Amino acid sequence: GENVEQHPSTLSVQEGDSAVIKCTYSDSASNYFPWYKQELGKRPQLIIDIRSNVGEKKDQRIAVTLNKTAKHFSLHITETQPEDSAVYFCAANGANDYKLSFGAGTTVTVRA
Amino acid sequence: GAVVSQHPSRVICKSGTSVKIECRSLDFQATTMFWYRQFPKKSLMLMATSNEGSKATYEQGVEKDKFLINHASLTLSTLTVTSAHPEDSSFYICSARVDSYGYTFGSGTRLTVV
Repeated sequence: GENVEQHPSTLSVQEGDSAVIKCTYSDSASNYFPWYKQELGKRPQLIIDIRSNVGEKKDQRIAVTLNKTAKHFSLHITETQPEDSAVYFCAANGANDYKLSFGAGTTVTVRA
Repeated sequence: GAVVSQHPSRVICKSGTSVKIECRSLDFQATTMFWYRQFPKKSLMLMATSNEGSKATYEQGVEKDKFLINHASLTLSTLTVTSAHPEDSSFYICSARVDSYGYTFGSGTRLTVV
């Protein structure tokens, strides 16, 4: 099955700086890579996703890049704000069974 | 958008009892529902996949007799934790596949077994 690895596990940035989270996946057939933000005790919230036919996608301060050859994808948050503090998870789907496999998560802390 | 309603949000039960968690798709038909378990400060771990009208498929290491999953209709999937023990205390969350590239999550159930 799919194996998703995520780094770093914790990330502390100064407000206004950028944050980058990286993930790798194992199944070359995976074709959908969402990123979720989860606050304590809440459901994961989709913040951005990318499909395998695209190399980069941007939505305001958030961007995701995908390198299919290397099987890794990254989340970029620019101009970080205190409300960006949360746990972020990357995920990849199983192309045949549609299961979402999640990375271990990154706790992002934005220092004011 | 597609919404999954999950109940209860919190439940406390005594050891040895069973607890049922429900996930309902409100405005779409959920042919496939995924059930996850999440321990504090950990990731979401897939427990099982349920498809309407058929038996659930469990991930390796998940006891099917302990975590009973029923998906009898296109709008309702249930997870029953049988003979619960303190180690079953966790955050359980369901997710429905909406389309080829879309998933929607329930709000989660915090289970505490005392």
